[in-house]
Amino acid sequence: AIQMTQSPSSLSASVGDSVTITCRASQAIRDDLGWYQQKPGKAPKLLIYATSALHRGVPSRFSGSGSGTDFTLTISGLQPEDFATYYCLQDYSYPWTFGQGTKVEIK
Amino acid sequence: EVQLVESGGGLVKPGGSLRLSCAASGFTFSAYSMNWVRQPPGKGLEWVASISASSSDIQYADSARGRFTISRDYAKNLLYLQMNSLRADDTAVYYCARHVVGGGPDYWGQGALVTVSS
Repeated sequence: AIQMTQSPSSLSASVGDSVTITCRASQAIRDDLGWYQQKPGKAPKLLIYATSALHRGVPSRFSGSGSGTDFTLTISGLQPEDFATYYCLQDYSYPWTFGQGTKVEIK
Repeated sequence: EVQLVESGGGLVKPGGSLRLSCAASGFTFSAYSMNWVRQPPGKGLEWVASISASSSDIQYADSARGRFTISRDYAKNLLYLQMNSLRADDTAVYYCARHVVGGGPDYWGQGALVTVSS
């Protein structure tokens, strides 16, 4: 199975900051990488698919990049509603695998 | 509007069985692959199973293979997860999610809690 190593596991930031979360795959996964946001008690929401495509309705402050094995999610100008846990997911091959998650907290 | 609503969760004893359902609406159910993803309390997300739009391709996580069965009813727009031989480590919120080819799971249900305990 492809392992997804996500870092950091948590970070503290202030409103207006830019933050970057990374995911590294144990083997190349083309661009088959998505990013999800999850708030406590809620279902995950898709932010980015195919590495860099913004899901409909997602604010443009979210962006994704990368290729092969290394991928990043950037939030440019954190908003209060962005404090949540973020997961990456590779759907290149089964079994699909998620990163361990990154909790973005208010500094 | 795409809607996915899970039902059938609850408390079950180890070794028992449970069937989860996911009612789909707001899209052409027969045109999309569907998935189950679970999340143990306080932990991360784990993909469980996928079924293709035509039901011709089914995939399971190792943790589910041989115990869980994913299926779908096109007449009722329902996705199912039959879970047998349940164990304590199957305790989780189970989400159904629609899958867009090339885009991964794009819409998710609100989740159904399954608790396996004696």
